[in-house]
Amino acid sequence: DVKVTQSSRYLVKRTGEKVFLECVQDMDHENMFWYRQDPGLGLRLIYFSYDVKMKEKGDIPEGYSVSREKKERFSLILESASTNQTSMYLCASSLGLAGSDEQFFGPGTRLTVL
Amino acid sequence: AQSVSQHNHHVILSEAASLELGCNYSYGGTVNLFWYVQYPGQHLQLLLKYFSGDPLVKGIKGFEAEFIKSKFSFNLRKPSVQWSDTAEYFCAVMPDQTGANNLFFGTGTRLTVIP
Repeated sequence: DVKVTQSSRYLVKRTGEKVFLECVQDMDHENMFWYRQDPGLGLRLIYFSYDVKMKEKGDIPEGYSVSREKKERFSLILESASTNQTSMYLCASSLGLAGSDEQFFGPGTRLTVL
Repeated sequence: AQSVSQHNHHVILSEAASLELGCNYSYGGTVNLFWYVQYPGQHLQLLLKYFSGDPLVKGIKGFEAEFIKSKFSFNLRKPSVQWSDTAEYFCAVMPDQTGANNLFFGTGTRLTVIP
């Protein structure tokens, strides 16, 4: 079974703090993704990576950055957290670039920025 | 703009009722289509997917979906829902293009099944 794990289920931070969200997958997947999930908005793609040290912007990259130093790990960074970044953050991975590859999701990190 | 629409935001059904959740998309080219489900407190998981062949796709737990290319639709169906189907359902579209396999999600439909 593919397993995607995220470092925290719940996180509370203060405005202006630097926040790291970690994601690890154990199936040697090429692609990794970060989404945020908000009520009424569904999932929106923040960043994705299709190889180590490679990253691409998604639909809403502003205020975020990412790091992929190892194939299995994909980190999302909030350089200076703001209250509008309070959300559920989901990490996902997929095997390769074939269009039929499904994405496997982690349990999510619910981030609250005070 | 390219988009994925789920018109039903919240659906409430009694057990044994039939279910149909709508999904329409606006991408012009070839697409791959997915339905994901998120049970309360759990992570998103794949219900079913379509990428070619028979437009009627069967998934887990008795769900099925039909791809109608002329209508740009991929509606999810189940003939008889159970209380355990209470969850949020997301339709997602992956334009079939080289370079990435990004998913574009709808806003989700919350299904509540009353025992």
